[in-house]
This record gives sequence, C-alpha cells and structure tokens, in this order.
Amino acid sequence: ELKVEQNPLFLSMQEGKNYTIYCNYSTTSDRLYWYRQDPGKSLESLFVLLSNGAVKQEGRLMASLDTKARLSTLHITAAVHDLSATYFCAVDRLNYGGSQGNLIFGKGTKLSVKP
Amino acid sequence: NAGVTQTPKFRILKIGQSMTLQCAQDMNHNYMYWYRQDPGMGLKLIYYSVGAGITDKGEVPNGYNVSRSTTEDFPLRLELAAPSQTSVYFCASSSDTPVGQVFEAFFGQGTRLTVV
Repeated sequence: ELKVEQNPLFLSMQEGKNYTIYCNYSTTSDRLYWYRQDPGKSLESLFVLLSNGAVKQEGRLMASLDTKARLSTLHITAAVHDLSATYFCAVDRLNYGGSQGNLIFGKGTKLSVKP
Repeated sequence: NAGVTQTPKFRILKIGQSMTLQCAQDMNHNYMYWYRQDPGMGLKLIYYSVGAGITDKGEVPNGYNVSRSTTEDFPLRLELAAPSQTSVYFCASSSDTPVGQVFEAFFGQGTRLTVV
C-alpha cells in the first residue's frame, strides 16, 4: 500500500522555539512535496525535493529528503505566529503509472505558534 | 493570472440531489485532478485526466463522474449526493513538461460541499 505518514499531527509551539515535522513514505518516489494550508484556503506549494540529500530553505523553514530512509523533514527555526497553519507532505505516483500531479498526501500537521 | 478557478465556493445539497463542480485552468496544462479533503485528513484523489477526452479513476471515485471535453475544463459531477460526500473539493492542474526538473501541481481555492 502506498502511504505517507506525518508526525506529529498536532504541534503547539511557543514563538522562538525550534521543531521538526517528520514525513515517512512507503513509495519509491524520489520527489517529495511540502504544502502549507491556511484555514479555509487552498494549498500553497512550499518545497519540491527532487533527490536524495536535497535540502531547501525558505525563511524559517528548511526541508530535507533522505530517499534511502524514505523520510523527509520540515524544520522550523525560531517559530513566529505567522507560521501557524497545516503543513502537508506528499509524494507522487510517477513510479506507479501515475502522473506528476497524482499525489499521495499525509494527514497534515496542524501547527499552532503561540506568543 | 487566474490559474485554477473553481466554482462554486460553497454549496449545500440535499441527499439525492445532483450537482456539477466546475474547474477551469488557463495555464494550458494537460493534466488535471480532483481531490477531496475530509476534516483532519490529507487530500485524496477522486479522478484525474491526462488530456482532453482521457480520464481515469483515482483512490476514491465512487459516487462521482468526470468529463474532459477541452484542455481548460474538468467538471466533477455528483449524481446522487450522500452525506459521505460532505467534504472540501480541490481541483488541480499540472504541466507534462517540467520547469527546472519540477512538475508542480497548482490547486484551486476549493469548493466546500455539505450534503444534508
């Protein structure tokens, strides 16, 4: 079964603290996607990781990919309230006859950053 | 710069009614997708299309139908609405040509459907 598992599912942080969200997947995909969703909104693409060892950073967020361990992490540095949202990771089904937008999503991590 | 446009944004249906969720994209993407998002869950693929006239089932196709008569439009039809179809529906599109090695999916704003 093709699965994507995120943990934690809920994360309450204080401003200024660091934390990591984990994304494990069961597919052989080399491509890992991170999205952000604000309440009642659509998904906003954050990162696309394309190969083993890939690391991408944008502001206080840094994502990495270990395809051998089938693990991606999203690290939050010095959290601020504006980062409060739900974060999803996803992999595509390209290696299983699907197309690149044919994604398997994790359940999401709901992040709440408190002052 | 419209991207992926979905209509309506909200809808309440009675059990047994039917409706069509509209999706249009102006990026000339060949690939289009319909996902549903249930509360506290990730998105699940309902149907997808790799080009005009070609559609295929995703993970959760039961109770839905799609058509793709043009590159731009990909409507999703609910024939006999059931409470289990209460969800937020997202349409997405992607190109079949990578941009810098990236094939990225672009999502619409979503349609929040309640079946009562």
